Amino acid sequence: QQPVQSPQAVILREGEDAVINCSSSKALYSVHWYRQKHGEAPVFLMILLKGGEQKGHEKISASFNEKKQQSSLYLTASQLSYSGTYFCGILQGGSEKLVFGKGTKLTVNP
Amino acid sequence: EAGVAQSPRYKIIEKRQSVAFWCNPISGHATLYWYQQILGQGPKLLIQFQNNGVVDDSQLPKDRFSAERLKGVDSTLKIQPAKLEDSAVYLCASSLDGVSGYGYTFGSGTRLTVV
Repeated sequence: QQPVQSPQAVILREGEDAVINCSSSKALYSVHWYRQKHGEAPVFLMILLKGGEQKGHEKISASFNEKKQQSSLYLTASQLSYSGTYFCGILQGGSEKLVFGKGTKLTVNP
Repeated sequence: EAGVAQSPRYKIIEKRQSVAFWCNPISGHATLYWYQQILGQGPKLLIQFQNNGVVDDSQLPKDRFSAERLKGVDSTLKIQPAKLEDSAVYLCASSLDGVSGYGYTFGSGTRLTVV
């Protein structure tokens, strides 16, 4: 089942923070986060395995709440290069199929 | 490390024609995926290979789509006959292991337009 991402879109000024959420209706085994710029392929940011682990990548970090079946991506002090569409992909228990959400379009303006 | 190679980058065909896409994954990656991405949506898995065996093809329209992975390396995806709704970007991705903590590396994709 497809995860639900929120918000659908967000506009920031450079230096502002943002949070993107990804929710599943079923138990999660792992969550992937990718960023896709217009006309390009998705680029892997990070993966979180069940256990509430928080990971970081530059000023981008993520958490995984197993109880809530939810992951959140945190973008701190955003840069122009952060603009793009962010997708979460989920692996549910017992499945090897990564299912992507519809994406969150992030625009960072000067 | 070389990335995932895909060709062609663009293809325009008429409906009912056939088309084939090629993918060469990162060396040593056992798992290969074909995703379909319609404009404005997230990628949708069509087929997943582990070495040269199929792990999941539940969303592959088998009456018109076929895929193979020869010798556990390169893969081809074919559509025959194409329909207007097949217009999309076809992304190939590979991973060391589809289930454990490894991310996917995507190729640049093939943009298919069916007219």
